[in-house]
Formats: sequence, C-alpha cells, structure tokens
Amino acid sequence: GAGVSQSPSNKVTEKGKDVELRCDPISGHTALYWYRQRLGQGLEFLIYFQGNSAPDKSGLPSDRFSAERTGESVSTLTIQRTQQEDSAVYLCASSLVGREGLHQETQYFGPGTRLLVL
Amino acid sequence: ILNVEQSPQSLHVQEGDSTNFTCSFPSSNFYALHWYRWETAKSPEALFVMTLNGDEKKKGRISATLNTKEGYSYLYIKGSQPEDSATYLCAFTDSGSARQLTFGSGTQLTVLP
Repeated sequence: GAGVSQSPSNKVTEKGKDVELRCDPISGHTALYWYRQRLGQGLEFLIYFQGNSAPDKSGLPSDRFSAERTGESVSTLTIQRTQQEDSAVYLCASSLVGREGLHQETQYFGPGTRLLVL
Repeated sequence: ILNVEQSPQSLHVQEGDSTNFTCSFPSSNFYALHWYRWETAKSPEALFVMTLNGDEKKKGRISATLNTKEGYSYLYIKGSQPEDSATYLCAFTDSGSARQLTFGSGTQLTVLP
C-alpha cells in the first residue's frame, strides 16, 4: 500500500522567504508527527496531531513555525521568514492509535523534505 | 529532557562479520523503545517496537533485546552484508508523553565488501 509521502523532496529558498512543506499520511492513520534533523544533530520532534484533538506544538522552535492538518489527512508545515538555521531535513510520520489512545504503534516515516536556506 | 544515547557513533565492518550497537535511555517512566534503519535519501524504516522488559525481537539477520530496568537495548546484525549499510536509530517514548519519539543520534554502519 501507499506509504507516507512528502513534497517537495528538496527546497532551496532565500533567507526571509516563507516555505510550505506538505505531508500525506498513510490512509486511516489518525496520528501525524513532524520531526526535523539539522546537520550533525539527531531527529527532533516538532508537532503532533491526533484526530480532532488540539495539536501538541511543544516541539516547535519558534513562532515562525506553524502546522495545520485537515481532519485525518494532509498536513502542511509552514516556516515564515526562514533563517539559515532552519536548514534541515523535515520528516513526517503517521501511525495508528490503538485502544485507549495508546501510542506504542510504529510510526511510519516519509522520505523527507530537504530544506536549504541560503 | 529525555536523553537517548547510542554507541558507537560509527562503525566499519567487513562483509560477513557480526556486529552490535547499544542504545541507552531513561529507565524511569518507560513506555516503548523503537529501532529504525535509515538509508541516505530514503525513509527511515521501522525495525522493531519493544515494550516489555526482556523482550527479544528478530527480523531476518537482525535482532534486538530490551532491558527496561537498566535502560538499554542492543541491536545485533549477524553476518553483515553491504546492503546493511545505513544509520541505525533508536527512539524512546516515555509514559508521560507516549506520543513523540525521542531519538538517539544514531550509529552509522558501513559494511565493506
């Protein structure tokens, strides 16, 4: 079946411009996550969506970052006024949430968007 | 702040060698431990999710063990092949959040033919 897809696969932008990254999760997965990996660093959590609940934005690094998700489908991550330190691979993942809201299920990752801010 | 450590940072082995990596994580409030394999320009691939102390999981030549009391997990690869070359990531979820994964920095494995 179709996995998680992300677009664009690569994005080069100038400092100060806004960018929008897209994620299509696996159909039927209610949970969606955004992570990023900056050069030389580990993957870090950004934001989490679960069904119609309010998103967990605790990982967003600044108010220039925002994300939306329509129902249980597509999500977009927007970075306003990009800075060079925003350069990273941005990964999206989705998972099923089991009974009682348990989250031990595997998170399935997309191939990522490689963002370079010049 | 949750601290997940992986060692070694990188590793070169010869084809046919067996190898293992370590992941250490906080032993309190444990919920689940995940192992992923990440090849360059591809999606991270899920290998195992482990939740119970003493869990052992196996997938082909790759296996993993879990010790939640002391906070470590080992990943073993038997008879390494060049196609095993990748970065191996472990990730932890605690019982407080049980949502986002907290990743280690990974072990980069290169298998030389």
